[in-house]
Amino acid sequence: DIQMTQSPSSLSASVGDRVTITCRASQSISSYLNWYQQKPGKAPKFLIYAASSLQTGVPSRFSGSGSGTDFTLTISSLQPEDFATYYCQQSYSLFTFGPGTKVDIK
Amino acid sequence: EVQLVESGGGLVQPGGSLRLSCAASGFTFSDHYMDWVRQAPGKGLEWVGRTRNKANSYTTEYAASLKGRFTISRDDSKNSLDLQMNSLKTEDTAVYYCARVHSSSGYYYMDVWGKGTTVTVSS
Repeated sequence: DIQMTQSPSSLSASVGDRVTITCRASQSISSYLNWYQQKPGKAPKFLIYAASSLQTGVPSRFSGSGSGTDFTLTISSLQPEDFATYYCQQSYSLFTFGPGTKVDIK
Repeated sequence: EVQLVESGGGLVQPGGSLRLSCAASGFTFSDHYMDWVRQAPGKGLEWVGRTRNKANSYTTEYAASLKGRFTISRDDSKNSLDLQMNSLKTEDTAVYYCARVHSSSGYYYMDVWGKGTTVTVSS
């Protein structure tokens, strides 16, 4: 099975900050990497697929990069509505989620 | 409007069974793979399993950790998805989500999610 890790597990940031979250796979998954956002009490929201392709309607301040085993999600200028938990997910072999990164207000 | 609505959650004793359902609307259900995902209280997301579409013989896949206790089925005539859960354990307590699987250029992702239904396993 492919295992996913994320770092940091949590971070505190201010509105306007640039935020970067890292995701690592236990083996190469090429670009088969998705990102989701989840707010408390809500279902996850799909953001990015194929490591860097933005879902329609997702703000352009979100971007993804990476391939192989190492990936990043970047929020270029954090907005109030971006405070949430972010999960990466490999789709190379079925699905596996990372443990999540909580982004909260500094 | 594309929508998924889960139902069937509730309180069940350890060792018991429960059947969850997911009603789909607003899209061609039969075209899509459908997945279940769960989230234990205060924990992260855990992929539970998948049913593929008719073109892929309705084959199913499950997380290894479930060890055969869960079964996913679908009824394309009713646009519905089910999750039969047997031999439930306290650690199965979670919010259970159904999600539509979409593919683009060979990349799969969950683009539509239901709001979830809560399962509590407790004596």
